[in-house]
Amino acid sequence: AQSVTQLDSQVPVFEEAPVELRCNYSSSVSVYLFWYVQYPNQGLQLLLKYLSGSTLVESINGFEAEFNKSQTSFHLRKPSVHISDTAEYFCAVSVPQGGSEKLVFGKGTKLTVNP
Amino acid sequence: DAGVTQSPTHLIKTRGQQVTLRCSPKSGHDTVSWYQQALGQGPQFIFQYYEEEERQRGNFPDRFSGHQFPNYSSELNVNALLLGDSALYLCASSLGSGTDTQYFGPGTRLTVL
Repeated sequence: AQSVTQLDSQVPVFEEAPVELRCNYSSSVSVYLFWYVQYPNQGLQLLLKYLSGSTLVESINGFEAEFNKSQTSFHLRKPSVHISDTAEYFCAVSVPQGGSEKLVFGKGTKLTVNP
Repeated sequence: DAGVTQSPTHLIKTRGQQVTLRCSPKSGHDTVSWYQQALGQGPQFIFQYYEEEERQRGNFPDRFSGHQFPNYSSELNVNALLLGDSALYLCASSLGSGTDTQYFGPGTRLTVL
């Protein structure tokens, strides 16, 4: 079975500072990896994903994540955060099964960007 | 292009009652998955429907059941509600023939008193 550990439950940072949200996973088979963002009282929005190929993936709003197979990690980074990045971020994995994948989520990291 | 929609937005029930939540998938998607997100936790997989059949199920009791209609929309039913069923219920849709990404709706907030 797969599992996901998000090492920090809360991360406070100041605006324009860099941030890293850590994610480690456990799986005996190859996985897909995802980061989702959840704003207050809303559903989940896909931020970025790793399926195969380049281990560095980027989102349109400046976030990036790097798949590290040897360390079973998929940390999320942004070089300079904005107030609007305040949200909860969830790392998730799924096992490729030809369309019937289920997502296994971590417990989330609450990012708070302060002025 | 409409995304995933869910109804109702909020719901308040009492213990022992039954509830039905509804989900319409993103246009072109044929697979619906349901997740339960308790307060302060990550979403937990309940089950997935494809071609009107339950394809996968998570670790949830039989009180949780579902249905998928020919137009791919889906319902989640929970019987004999417990206080612990209070949560945000999220529906996600995807294309069942080998895609990789699930798109989530805004969720239904269920409160059991």
